[in-house]
Amino acid sequence: SQQGEEDPQALSIQEGENATMNCSYKTSINNLQWYRQNSGRGLVHLILIRSNEREKHSGRLRVTLDTSKKSSSLLITASRAADTASYFCATDAILGSGNTGKLIFGQGTTLQVKP
Amino acid sequence: GAVVSQHPSRVICKSGTSVKIECRSLDFQATTMFWYRQFPKQSLMLMATSNEGSKATYEQGVEKDKFLINHASLTLSTLTVTSAHPEDSSFYICSAKGLYNEKLFFGSGTQLSVL
Repeated sequence: SQQGEEDPQALSIQEGENATMNCSYKTSINNLQWYRQNSGRGLVHLILIRSNEREKHSGRLRVTLDTSKKSSSLLITASRAADTASYFCATDAILGSGNTGKLIFGQGTTLQVKP
Repeated sequence: GAVVSQHPSRVICKSGTSVKIECRSLDFQATTMFWYRQFPKQSLMLMATSNEGSKATYEQGVEKDKFLINHASLTLSTLTVTSAHPEDSSFYICSAKGLYNEKLFFGSGTQLSVL
């Protein structure tokens, strides 16, 4: 079953603006990851944040994690037209007897960056 | 980064035929591979998890006799859609990870269209 809920479902901004996407999940986790998918393609790993971390940066990406609220956010600063894609959060859910070893993906946010 | 190759990228077949999709890790040993299904503008639905040399673990609601998964080596997993029907038309994506790697590396996906 799907674990993550993301909002907004769709986001349209102008080049240069910042884009923020949010993700909520239901179970305990070891880590939360963000992936990017261009239309009709596979996913590309962007960043991983562990359950004991609160914030992480990678280039123009900033990820936060609030385990008390079971939520995460992805911020893309100074967006570019090439950032247009779908963005998914994914969690490695800890269920019952322990780590499942599999990633469960959120519903995704479709980002359009207009030049 | 690690490369996962998925073939074919697109296949059109007649109803009742079987289709095999290959997923290869090119530069690392994939101890675990995952198969996902994705409908247009939706998230990835995990179908099954396969570990090299053992039977695949299927998610609830996924027919194991319909979607045959083989993970015979550390670099190759295959998904065979048996007796395909139009409702099996979808985008299928494989992903792989190594023993000590928490992130997934994705193939580029296979668009299956069953006529």
